[in-house]
Amino acid sequence: DAGVTQSPTHLIKTRGQQVTLRCSPISGHKSVSWYQQVLGQGPQFIFQYYEKEERGRGNFPDRFSARQFPNYSSELNVNALLLGDSALYLCASSFSGSLLNEQFFGPGTRLTVL
Amino acid sequence: GENVEQHPSTLSVQEGDSAVIKCTYSDSASNYFPWYKQELGKRPQLIIDIRSNVGEKKDQRIAVTLNKTAKHFSLHITETQPEDSAVYFCAASKDQAGTALIFGKGTTLSVSS
Repeated sequence: DAGVTQSPTHLIKTRGQQVTLRCSPISGHKSVSWYQQVLGQGPQFIFQYYEKEERGRGNFPDRFSARQFPNYSSELNVNALLLGDSALYLCASSFSGSLLNEQFFGPGTRLTVL
Repeated sequence: GENVEQHPSTLSVQEGDSAVIKCTYSDSASNYFPWYKQELGKRPQLIIDIRSNVGEKKDQRIAVTLNKTAKHFSLHITETQPEDSAVYFCAASKDQAGTALIFGKGTTLSVSS
């Protein structure tokens, strides 16, 4: 039974570039959340999508955007990269419908901005 | 919005001792409190969670307690082992689909043998 998967594992970009990160949720999960984890800190919420609609957005600039596809996979896009965007980007999926918000994390994408 | 404070930031114990990590939250509407363990270079793993309709939950050597009045919750690990060494994060949210987890800053637990 596959867990949450993310690609790529690692990514190196330069300032000003754009990046797209991908996430596939656990089969049957319809909600996907994105988090940014800077070294030494807890994950910070960026976006949450549920049934292909944006349900929540954290305190991140408009350079960050995301979408969810009909198969519930998701992409996170970051434009005009800054050095401060260097972090581990985590995707988490959760079950839909009932009162359950257990979120299961993927292995993350390590983004380095030079 | 919700704010979660976590203490201590580092904790060192001897193998076999107990470890306690405490968190406070600000939003009285939060009713779901998970704990995650993150080993170096790995993803956060859900180890235990509690909902506001109970005051305590146990799973083998791990327990979580919740005080809704004081808005704080704690993780208790008994009979610690070296493999318990990791960073532990608490989080809070409303227990409904489409809700973000708000995390504490983490506690680095070191268990020495």
